[in-house]
Amino acid sequence: QVQLVQSGTEVKKPGASVKVTCKASGYTFSSYGISWVRQAPGQGLEYMGWISAKNGNTDYAQKVQDRVTMTTDTSTSTAYMEVRSLKSDDTAVYYCARDLGTVTKGIAGYWGQGTLLIVSS
Amino acid sequence: DIVMTQSPDSLAVSLGERATINCKSSQSVLYNSNNKNYLAWYQQKPGQPPKLLIYWASTRESGVPDRFGGSGSGTDFTLTISSLQAEDVAVYYCQQYSTTPLTFGGGTKVDIK
Repeated sequence: QVQLVQSGTEVKKPGASVKVTCKASGYTFSSYGISWVRQAPGQGLEYMGWISAKNGNTDYAQKVQDRVTMTTDTSTSTAYMEVRSLKSDDTAVYYCARDLGTVTKGIAGYWGQGTLLIVSS
Repeated sequence: DIVMTQSPDSLAVSLGERATINCKSSQSVLYNSNNKNYLAWYQQKPGQPPKLLIYWASTRESGVPDRFGGSGSGTDFTLTISSLQAEDVAVYYCQQYSTTPLTFGGGTKVDIK
């Protein structure tokens, strides 16, 4: 069965960087895209970007594109999202989500459990 | 960016009654080339990641109970829970995937009256 397992809670200081991992199993990793979505405490869902695991093509939300890099490693079936120059309002749960199908970009059919990032001095 | 506006922000419905959630996009998410609406609905329960319910505006994801239904086209969409069950208490989000950046509605919280 499809599983996305994310790395654990991170606590960082403002200005630092963080790299969140999303390890996939149960399917052919390179055939599907991965979206990253975050949710600040008590708030709604915010799209951060999408990466094709097939060719590494990315789409980033304009709000974060200068500070975020998404990558994949097909040898380990793992997706990564690095966020730099962290601010307090980056505090959120970060989710990775796999496209539902191979040609259904952006339909988040399978989700990781989420990674809590706390940014605090 | 396409702005997704949901209404109401919250609603309380008696068990067994109908719940209706609306979602409006700031521009059409209907692709004329394939006549598909690039609109999905998700359910999120406390402490859990979102779960896909509906895509292409009206296609139910595998395993989703048939009391959940999606309708609409262009810019106006509706998620209907035909007979609310206790386990349906959650926040519901619409999302457009026609244009990047993908965008979500603000969410609608559904409770039991």
